[in-house]
Amino acid sequence: DTGVSQDPRHKITKRGQNVTFRCDPISEHNRLYWYRQTLGQGPEFLTYFQNEAQLEKSRLLSDRFSAERPKGSFSTLEIQRTEQGDSAMYLCASSPPGAPYNEQFFGPGTRLTVL
Amino acid sequence: GQNIDQPTEMTATEGAIVQINCTYQTSGFNGLFWYQQHAGEAPTFLSYNVLDGLEEKGRFSSFLSRSKGYSYLLLKELQMKDSASYLCAVFSNDYKLSFGAGTTVTVRA
Repeated sequence: DTGVSQDPRHKITKRGQNVTFRCDPISEHNRLYWYRQTLGQGPEFLTYFQNEAQLEKSRLLSDRFSAERPKGSFSTLEIQRTEQGDSAMYLCASSPPGAPYNEQFFGPGTRLTVL
Repeated sequence: GQNIDQPTEMTATEGAIVQINCTYQTSGFNGLFWYQQHAGEAPTFLSYNVLDGLEEKGRFSSFLSRSKGYSYLLLKELQMKDSASYLCAVFSNDYKLSFGAGTTVTVRA
């Protein structure tokens, strides 16, 4: 399977704990995006990378959130001191370079539940 | 910023046609996407419009009017498997996708 993969698929944690999610984009896709989706809403943009450079961060991304893409391939999203409001589906997407339009291919998501 | 509106829910009968409207206000428009999302799954790409007019792809068609800030997704010959959420998303010049809240379509036999 050469699609976008995310790990873990589900994460249950206690409030105050740190969590880290991983995203492996489609090979050779240079742009990688993180979104958060809550029930009944569309995905909300969090941040995106072009290669290893983080080009934009949403105001939704508080200081407790950090994302990295150290070698321009996989990416990690860390949430420190989790709060119940962080409970959501975290989606990763990637898109190829030089496309006439920027179709984003989504991974299956990581569902986070903060107790 | 982006402001994207679409109806919350629609219901239709198997074999029928449904039209999902989307209106948007945006700075730096660079195209409009429609995605399909089944419950608990990731969004999957359906269509992209950057110029005014109709794009047809099998049973699905999408229309765009940039001057009106309006798009619709037309689903023809509805099948039970089309029951899903349909997301309208605006692509801006800074390579970001901004999504509407989604329209849940329920197809009944």
